[in-house]
Amino acid sequence: NAGVMQNPRHLVRRRGQEARLRCSPMKGHSHVYWYRQLPEEGLKFMVYLQKENIIDESGMPKERFSAEFPKEGPSILRIQQVVRGDSAAYFCASSPPSRSQETQYFGPGTRLLVL
Amino acid sequence: GENVEQHPSTLSVQEGDSAVIKCTYSDSASNYFPWYKQELGKRPQLIIDIRSNVGEKKDQRIAVTLNKTAKHFSLHITETQPEDSAVYFCAASISGGNQFYFGTGTSLTVIP
Repeated sequence: NAGVMQNPRHLVRRRGQEARLRCSPMKGHSHVYWYRQLPEEGLKFMVYLQKENIIDESGMPKERFSAEFPKEGPSILRIQQVVRGDSAAYFCASSPPSRSQETQYFGPGTRLLVL
Repeated sequence: GENVEQHPSTLSVQEGDSAVIKCTYSDSASNYFPWYKQELGKRPQLIIDIRSNVGEKKDQRIAVTLNKTAKHFSLHITETQPEDSAVYFCAASISGGNQFYFGTGTSLTVIP
């Protein structure tokens, strides 16, 4: 059973470009979470998705950021018109379908560098 | 929303000594508390978790304690080894929710 997969592992973009980060959850997991980690800081929640639904996007910046988790394929975190402050590690985590809290398993992260 | 505070931010111990990391939370509705270990450049990995219906849980050299009244929980690592060196994050999850609220992390260094 493969773990949570993320790609690319490293992404370099120039200011104003778009960044597209992909996350494939563990097999059998239908809940996906995106977190941002700035250098030497903790993990900040961005968005929680289930298949074809955004459940909680309270941590997502209102502009330039969007996320989706389509019926088929990976979850995508999209950052439009990137700025230097978007440079960070973006982790996705997944958990199985459950009514109660379940452990979240993290992917290896995508390290975004904006030049 | 929930606010999780974690102390200390850095911790150095001699190999073989114990290490204790403490977290407090603000929302009494939180009832699930996982701990993650993150080695440099790697993903956070779950090392132990505790639910609010228990006060303590152990797994070999690692233990977690929970005081619901005081709203704090702690990670205890005994007989530390150099490979325990990493950043440790605590988190809290509110009953009925799925979002994890993370502490700011503790960088643990075990000196051989």
